[in-house]
Amino acid sequence: AQKVTQAQTEISVVEKEDVTLDCVYETRDTTYYLFWYKQPPSGELVFLIRRNSFDEQNEISGRYSWNFQKSTSSFNFTITASQVVDSAVYFCALSEAQGGGADGLTFGKGTHLIIQP
Amino acid sequence: DTGVSQNPRHKITKRGQNVTFRCDPISEHNRLYWYRQTLGQGPEFLTYFQNEAQLEKSRLLSDRFSAERPKGSFSTLEIQRTEQGDSAMYLCASSLQGRQPQHFGDGTRLSIL
Repeated sequence: AQKVTQAQTEISVVEKEDVTLDCVYETRDTTYYLFWYKQPPSGELVFLIRRNSFDEQNEISGRYSWNFQKSTSSFNFTITASQVVDSAVYFCALSEAQGGGADGLTFGKGTHLIIQP
Repeated sequence: DTGVSQNPRHKITKRGQNVTFRCDPISEHNRLYWYRQTLGQGPEFLTYFQNEAQLEKSRLLSDRFSAERPKGSFSTLEIQRTEQGDSAMYLCASSLQGRQPQHFGDGTRLSIL
């Protein structure tokens, strides 16, 4: 069975600080996909990134970066120089390529990120 | 590309009533998904369609729930004999194909009185 754990329920930092959101996953598949989504107060889930299990290269997109480590089953997300607009709930999600859950995403419980001005 | 559209945004109903939600996916997307999200939790997968075929149903989807996508375009999710525990945000998402990023709508918030 697949599982995603986001141990940090809530993080509060002051604007311009760097912050890392942790994500640990469990799966028995060798092929799988990892995602991060942002859910701002307005409620709509916004796709941020997708990673497949064969691509362990870290990725940077502007102030966002992702660190994927298969050895520790982690897919952490870092925001550099945080801004108030980054305040949201962030979800990590997993999709197995061959598992019984087929195509549905398994989400973690989310991390509520609060950026204080 | 107008995004995924869900109607209604809010639904308040009495326990025991039937409710139906509608989802219009992004037009060229073949896959359509339904999720449920309760307060403080991540979305939970309910079911998905490849065109008009319903390919997977979660065990969360009890017999009171039914979903259709009759012509491979919009989808409806019906809940019969609603219960208090059905109160949640119901999210719809679509994607071009499997394992591709899923794009979500704003959701329908269901409140059972």
